[in-house]
Order: sequence, then C-alpha cells, then structure tokens
Amino acid sequence: EAGVAQSPRYKIIEKRQSVAFWCNPISGHATLYWYQQILGQGPKLLIQFQNNGVVDDSQLPKDRFSAERLKGVDSTLKIQPAKLEDSAVYLCASSPGLSPGEQYFGPGTRLTVT
Amino acid sequence: AQTVTQSQPEMSVQEAETVTLSCTYDTSESDYYLFWYKQPPSRQMILVIRQEAYKQQNATENRFSVNFQKAAKSFSLKISDSQLGDAAMYFCAYRSKGAQKLVFGQGTRLTINP
Repeated sequence: EAGVAQSPRYKIIEKRQSVAFWCNPISGHATLYWYQQILGQGPKLLIQFQNNGVVDDSQLPKDRFSAERLKGVDSTLKIQPAKLEDSAVYLCASSPGLSPGEQYFGPGTRLTVT
Repeated sequence: AQTVTQSQPEMSVQEAETVTLSCTYDTSESDYYLFWYKQPPSRQMILVIRQEAYKQQNATENRFSVNFQKAAKSFSLKISDSQLGDAAMYFCAYRSKGAQKLVFGQGTRLTINP
C-alpha cells in the first residue's frame, strides 16, 4: 500500500513570495490533515478535511494560508505572502476517518523563508 | 483546551539498556486516546504505541510499553533493550474521542549510545 505522498520535499523562498505544497493521501482515506511543525516543537494542526469539506481550520492563519481538497482526494496548501515565521516543516497526514483510526504521515515539506 | 507536556528535551541511553520518556497532559475529558509517535531524521512520523483511556491495562508493542496513570494524567513510554534504530524524536500526543486531530507535546530527542 502506497503511503502519503508530499511534494516538494524542500522549498526555499524569499519573504512575501508565495508557495504551494501538494499532498496525496492513502487511497480511500476520507480524512486529510495539514500540520505545521516549527523547529524544536511538536506538530500543530492547521486544517482538517473530511472528504472535501473542512472540519477544523481554527488554527489556520486565513489571511495568508489557504487549502483545498478538490474531489476529496489530494490537497494543496498555499501560503501567500510568506513570512519569516512560516519557516517550518509542513506535514500531511491521512486517516480512514473512523475513530480511532490511526493517522498516517507523509515525509513533510521543509520550507525556509529568507 | 487540551495540552501535552514533555519535560525532557533530550535523553540518552546505552544500547541494550532501558529508557523511559515522560509525558503529562491536561484535559477535562474522561475518554480519549494517547499516542507515542517516533520521528526519525527522515521526518516521517511513525506510530509507536496507542492507549485508550478507558482501558486500564497498559499497552505494549514488543519492546515498547507505556505506564498510563489516568488520575495523574501521566503517560510515559518505556523502551526496553534499546537499539541504535530507536534514535529519533519522540512525541506524545492526545486525541479527544469525539475529534480526530492530534495535540502534540514538544518532543524528546532520544540518543542511543553504542
């Protein structure tokens, strides 16, 4: 079974530029999550999708971050414009959607904003 | 809101020895799930062990076991017969029964000395 795929693995941009990350969850998984992991900290949930609907985006900085999950499969997370404090690893995870379904994580995208 | 605290930023142990990682959490809920995740340098989070709060029996997975003290809101991870491949960041995480998002602690970096 293929795991959660993410791309790119690394990205370096200048502040005020825009960037997009892509995630393809495990086939059949209804729930998709985006986490932000700042260096030295644990991951923090940014947004959770159930199929193509948003379940929780309470910690998503909506003035600069956006995410979509068209057709309930893969997802993109965008930052526009980026700030220095957005430097982090962005992790995507998916789960079957049934409690207490395990979350399966992708390898993450390391973003550096200069 | 639930919080998870890992008070040991770093731990080290000799190969083949036993090490215990600490985790405490704060919640007003009575039913929930607790997890330990491992994050190697590849960044991919891997589930190590899971505990359901309503189960009094401590979970065990091969060399990994937990000491779950519900009244004390403590959830420690014991790794027996430590191996070089156990070296990684370890994160304790909490999940409400009615939700799916994970709340992570700050992590503990575990070093295995040969």
